[in-house]
Amino acid sequence: NAGVTQTPKFQVLKTGQSMTLQCAQDMNHNSMYWYRQDPGMGLRLIYYSASEGTTDKGEVPNGYNVSRLNKREFSLRLESAAPSQTSVYFCASSPLGPDNQPQHFGDGTRLSIL
Amino acid sequence: RKEVEQDPGPFNVPEGATVAFNCTYSNSASQSFFWYRQDCRKEPKLLMSVYSSGNEDGRFTAQLNRASQYISLLIRDSKLSDSATYLCVVRPFSGGYNKLIFGAGTRLAVHP
Repeated sequence: NAGVTQTPKFQVLKTGQSMTLQCAQDMNHNSMYWYRQDPGMGLRLIYYSASEGTTDKGEVPNGYNVSRLNKREFSLRLESAAPSQTSVYFCASSPLGPDNQPQHFGDGTRLSIL
Repeated sequence: RKEVEQDPGPFNVPEGATVAFNCTYSNSASQSFFWYRQDCRKEPKLLMSVYSSGNEDGRFTAQLNRASQYISLLIRDSKLSDSATYLCVVRPFSGGYNKLIFGAGTRLAVHP
């Protein structure tokens, strides 16, 4: 009963390094999302994938890329990490369907850029 | 103006108290509304959806006022375990992908 699984849970990077955050869901959901959460701010959408094969920018996409590898997996890549990208990153998924479908979240990746 | 605004708190209340949070949203065409709960350093989890007629789930009651564009959450008989941050979440439009707008959260601390 895993739900949404994110790896790694913690990571420290140096400025300019690259890395990929992994996310997988086992609920057969069509849509997947990447958010970042910073102190005093709501979750902000980075990128989303409404369905397999599609990806679109959210509110704060600069400095990130994504890949919807298959229906289960949606990865987030930082090509050249910057201190401003220090944050907690959450992946989420939801089914298509009625408008009141909630999103289900992974337990987050805490990323620090030095 | 933020799309979803909440009082950040913290609300410090004794066990057994009744506490209410409000949230305002800017898009009058918003379609769906939720309250999520987030424990410290954990992921957000759905607490309840908010329906137009208002709805209740145990000690929790959610209300929606479309005319004034606000949502409320009432917690009765507060428990220590209710201590968390409560996120007001709005879906601004129907159809397409499930875009959600999150408030920054209201922190609740319940003490003995």
